[in-house]
Amino acid sequence: GAGVSQSPSNKVTEKGKDVELRCDPISGHTALYWYRQSLGQGLEFLIYFQGNSAPDKSGLPSDRFSAERTGGSVSTLTIQRTQQEDSAVYLCASSLKGGAFNYGYTFGSGTRLTVV
Amino acid sequence: AQSVTQLDSHVSVSEGTPVLLRCNYSSSYSPSLFWYVQHPNKGLQLLLKYTSAATLVKGINGFEAEFKKSETSFHLTKPSAHMSDAAEYFCVGDGSGNTGKLIFGQGTTLQVKP
Repeated sequence: GAGVSQSPSNKVTEKGKDVELRCDPISGHTALYWYRQSLGQGLEFLIYFQGNSAPDKSGLPSDRFSAERTGGSVSTLTIQRTQQEDSAVYLCASSLKGGAFNYGYTFGSGTRLTVV
Repeated sequence: AQSVTQLDSHVSVSEGTPVLLRCNYSSSYSPSLFWYVQHPNKGLQLLLKYTSAATLVKGINGFEAEFKKSETSFHLTKPSAHMSDAAEYFCVGDGSGNTGKLIFGQGTTLQVKP
């Protein structure tokens, strides 16, 4: 596609429920990243996929968070047993090649998650 | 860059006056640095990037930034603010040099008054 597409754009869920957030990167981009932007905070790295390599999960805040990337394209971020502190905007970004900063990053518009 | 600090959480300027958004970084290696802008309910948009080429980097919409190693700074400037520049601005560094893991500053909200 022309840009990074994220769905849903908004999600309200009850505490304790599981949610899935989807990211469709730019076609041909091998690197995909998830970040979280909490109210009043900067962006926090969550996870990074590069091609067929094992993902860098070092930013995931707890074992309730997981992500997968199928076929090197679409990625799903799953949050199990959601808590109120999970409320944030979840941003996805893709890049032509991870670690090659000259290529730049394209961000999606994000999914605003509200846990009530 | 291992850390990025934006010195002002909020900057207010009048339309037509210069803009200065301050950013300092900390890095044990030659960093790559970026400025991104986020308009309300919009995605992050790259304004400009520094990747060890020219120290004065020109970006979109008349913005530019100068990499100053001696001051560990990467301040964003624009000669004349427009109302459409009102947004949140993030100074960003490469977290670990080779993985694409970005380190974001806390953001600066730019207000432009008529």
